This record gives sequence, structure tokens and C-alpha cells, in this order.
Amino acid sequence: GQQLNQSPQSMFIQEGEDVSMNCTSSSIFNTWLWYKQDPGEGPVLLIALYKAGELTSNGRLTAQFGITRKDSFLNISASIPSDVGIYFCAGRSVLGGSRLTFGEGTQLTVNP
Amino acid sequence: ETGVTQSPTHLIKTRGQQVTLRCSSQSGHNTVSWYQQALGQGPQFIFQYYREEENGRGNFPPRFSGLQFPNYSSELNVNALELDDSALYLCASSPGAGSLPETQYFGPGTRLLVL
Repeated sequence: GQQLNQSPQSMFIQEGEDVSMNCTSSSIFNTWLWYKQDPGEGPVLLIALYKAGELTSNGRLTAQFGITRKDSFLNISASIPSDVGIYFCAGRSVLGGSRLTFGEGTQLTVNP
Repeated sequence: ETGVTQSPTHLIKTRGQQVTLRCSSQSGHNTVSWYQQALGQGPQFIFQYYREEENGRGNFPPRFSGLQFPNYSSELNVNALELDDSALYLCASSPGAGSLPETQYFGPGTRLLVL
């Protein structure tokens, strides 16, 4: 089945630093989504990408849909304490219908 | 605009029992997807409903079943509960399975504990 490899699994950074995380898939995706999940809550959509090569920003967050359609990355600039949480990539495969496949998440800790 | 809501927020059941979880989709959305999220893992797709019909299913046994109602709200039913069914169950709604691009918006989830 489809697999998403998300890295790194965890990151410990100082406030103000930039962060980068990425996902790679075993199959071609036509949609990449990035979510943030706080403890005890559902994932909140951060950025949606629909075309290969697309680069989209949302405030301090920037994400790109890889040219090969098998990868995506998320950058966070000038991190702040409220960026703490688990970040998930999710993708929709051209063969998987409407289902989303999720990565295992990146746990981000920001030290003030 | 009302977001995705789920009920109950928490639930404790014993092995062998049955459970029903509920989801109200975001206004204007006709597609609902259900996911199971075990502790420390990413959500796993259970199934999706579009206009009251099942529109795709993940690798879950038949004791996981669902319904979607004319107002697009949905239920997830799990029979013969097992200890491994303990998880956060997430509902996500989207504007329509037949429309592209599709983005899914999640509810807060129901935390199920099976003892």
C-alpha cells in the first residue's frame, strides 16, 4: 500500500530558528496537505498544495509540492513557542481515490 | 460557518461492546471521512461517505461500519470492540468527492478507550 515517510520524527529548536520538515511517498500524489495537531485535538489544516512545483505560503509557513509529485516540504521561519505541536503531512494518491494517507508526524519543541 | 463537530468527546467501553460515534460536517460539505489515530501515530483512513454512499474504504474489518444521513452528518459504528480499537477517532468533511481539488477539515475527535 501507499506509504509516507516523514522526517524528522522530532525537532528541538530555539525560539527564532527556522524549521524544515519533509515527506516522501512511494507513489505519485496529486494533493499534498500539511496539518498541525495539538494534544487532544484534531488536525488543523495549514497549507494545501495541488500542483507539482507549487509553492504556497501561510504567514511564516511555506510548503512546496515536489516536481516528482512524490515529495513535499514544510518550512517554518522565525519559530515561536506556539509553534509547538505535531506536524503531519498528508497526501492523496492518483490511485487512492479520495482517501488521505498521513505521515507519522514531526514533533516540534520550541525552547523560549 | 460551523466547523466539524464530533460527539462524544470521550468514551470508555469494555471489550466486546458496540459503540457509535457521531459527526456533523462543516456547512456546505457533502463528504465525510473517518480516521483512526492510535497514540503516537498518524491518522489511518477507515472509510469515506459521499451523498450517503460509501466511497472508499481502508484496511479495516467489517465490524467497522458507517452511515451518512441526508443532512450529511455521519456515524461510525464499531462492533465487538477489541483492546486495539482504543484510539482517537477523527471525522473530516470536504466539499465533495466529485470536485477537485479536495481538502479535508477535521473535527476535534472522539477519544475511545476499550478496557
